[in-house]
Amino acid sequence: RKEVEQDPGPFNVPEGATVAFNCTYSNSASQSFFWYRQDCRKEPKLLMSVYSSGNEDGRFTAQLNRASQYISLLIRDSKLSDSATYLCVVNMRPSGSARQLTFGSGTQLTVLP
Amino acid sequence: NAGVTQTPKFRVLKTGQSMTLLCAQDMNHEYMYWYRQDPGMGLRLIHYSVGEGTTAKGEVPDGYNVSRLKKQNFLLGLESAAPSQTSVYFCASSNQMNTEAFFGQGTRLTVV
Repeated sequence: RKEVEQDPGPFNVPEGATVAFNCTYSNSASQSFFWYRQDCRKEPKLLMSVYSSGNEDGRFTAQLNRASQYISLLIRDSKLSDSATYLCVVNMRPSGSARQLTFGSGTQLTVLP
Repeated sequence: NAGVTQTPKFRVLKTGQSMTLLCAQDMNHEYMYWYRQDPGMGLRLIHYSVGEGTTAKGEVPDGYNVSRLKKQNFLLGLESAAPSQTSVYFCASSNQMNTEAFFGQGTRLTVV
């Protein structure tokens, strides 16, 4: 079982739609949580950190449920420029390894005109 | 404002050849990392460093070595390349383990 699991998609949505991505993680002792964005053939870049109380940044809302070990990202009013792969990232200690940023394999989003 | 710079950006190696990937950061970050990204696998940590002169193994260290002789540089070496090491390699740096990691543009390596 992967330490951080995401639905790979692809999610194809029309402009203006609301779309939600989910992510589950295996280690209940995980300390910090992030969503990164990766454009095609580019490096990952931080989209937003995820806080326990939930947080919002413009059209983006992130939620954390520690009891269910679940993170979500909601994108409202999707833009063409939102098309990318969204990576769920958890600071955790995978089995037999040191604490590290552990990446999900990503969810691909395409926003259609 | 360079951030994290990786060289080279592309490379084709023959099986058994060696090479070194260079990562340089100008943000005075303590932590540096080498990841590989393969389709459907996400980014996997190869090695990391928590400061000048220190290195540690990540999730997939076999076949790779690293050195951090200067705080701003983190080198990844492949002593005897294998086709299984065909991948995109990303270097990253951060101020602390729990904070935002900044990535280089990646190195696309093909081993034939």
